Amino acid sequence: DAGVIQSPRHEVTEMGQEVTLRCKPISGHDYLFWYRQTMMRGLELLIYFNNNVPIDDSGMPEDRFSAKMPNASFSTLKIQPSEPRDSAVYFCASSHSVYEQYFGPGTRLTVT
Amino acid sequence: GENVEQHPSTLSVQEGDSAVIKCTYSDSASNYFPWYKQELGKGPQLIIDIRSNVGEKKDQRIAVTLNKTAKHFSLHITETQPEDSAVYFCAARDMRFGAGTRLTVKP
Repeated sequence: DAGVIQSPRHEVTEMGQEVTLRCKPISGHDYLFWYRQTMMRGLELLIYFNNNVPIDDSGMPEDRFSAKMPNASFSTLKIQPSEPRDSAVYFCASSHSVYEQYFGPGTRLTVT
Repeated sequence: GENVEQHPSTLSVQEGDSAVIKCTYSDSASNYFPWYKQELGKGPQLIIDIRSNVGEKKDQRIAVTLNKTAKHFSLHITETQPEDSAVYFCAARDMRFGAGTRLTVKP
């Protein structure tokens, strides 16, 4: 298996623009997680899905952030409008359960 | 919610020495404690985990110990090698991660 796939790997955008991050989980995994990593706040859980249904989105910072999982093999994290403080590395992870998560390589987002 | 504290934030050891990283948690209902290793430019990778019904688990040079009474768990790496240099994260209930420990193993 290729592991968790994320795209793009790097994204540079201007403040106010819409950003869409994509994730393809490992085939057969029922859980998908979105994390954000910054120097100041560390690794934060934003939202996670079970069987394509959002279970806990309490970590989503504000209404500018939204996540979808239209099917078992694809998820998106959207930021609209983006702000400089959204600059971070965003990770997607998948697993058979809430345990033993497999992380993707991350998307480094820079908002200028 | 769960609060996970991790110490130390940085750790430097000589190759061949042991390294110990400690985490404390607040939620007594937590029952799963994983450790992740993150190398530069990569996502975290699960290296070992422990469930609350076990006090210690070992996998080659890596071991994790759990003290549920004191609400802390530790990662032990023996015979450290330069390739062990990375940032290590603990986690507990609700996928709350510790702040990370940057381990440097000097050859």
